[in-house]
Amino acid sequence: EVQILESGGGSVQPGGSLILSCAVSGFSLETYAMSWVRLAPGKGLEWVSGISNNGGSIYYSDSVKGRFTISRDNSKDTLYLQMTSLRAEDTAVYYCARDWRWLVQGRLVYWGQGTLVTVSS
Amino acid sequence: QSVLTQPPSASGTPGQRVTISCSGGGSNIGTNTVNWYQQFPGAAPKLLIYSSDQRPSGVPDRFSGSKSGTSASLAISGLQSDDAAHYYCAVWDENLNGFFFGGGTKLTVL
Repeated sequence: EVQILESGGGSVQPGGSLILSCAVSGFSLETYAMSWVRLAPGKGLEWVSGISNNGGSIYYSDSVKGRFTISRDNSKDTLYLQMTSLRAEDTAVYYCARDWRWLVQGRLVYWGQGTLVTVSS
Repeated sequence: QSVLTQPPSASGTPGQRVTISCSGGGSNIGTNTVNWYQQFPGAAPKLLIYSSDQRPSGVPDRFSGSKSGTSASLAISGLQSDDAAHYYCAVWDENLNGFFFGGGTKLTVL
């Protein structure tokens, strides 16, 4: 059974940093591309970042480019999102999701339950 | 301004057929296939339609998708009360080199 579990969310002050983790089981992480997607309060879904199976292709939305870094450790079946220079508008539930194959294409077949990040003073 | 435009709301009565539109441009819908996601409050999104008109296993055939030019549509026939949710179209944009969701449509079953 495929399982995706995000962790690392919490409250942080503006300008602060946070690292989200996404542990997967039931499949081999090295086979699939992964993405982070967020849902801010009262807003719609926003794709944040994606990474190919081997990390060779990485993409970011303009809203987080230069502040967030996606990475993966396939040997630990874990995906990461390092978030720096956090702003109030980064407040959201962050979801980790698996693509259907090794390229970032946005066919997100499996999702975690999300972890809440709150940026507030 | 959003890359993909959806109506913010839609509604129907049980048994009716409703459609949700998604308008984009040549570098996204005009070039790539569209995915649709369903999300209930407090739950993770679920892939509903992929490659514009394909249903993952387990998705009822009441849900269908289509694409024409730079627009796509999601149709739900035989509307049921538990179809009430938010629906999002999504597609890769070649010019912006990123993946984009539409603004989402909140479906109400009256």
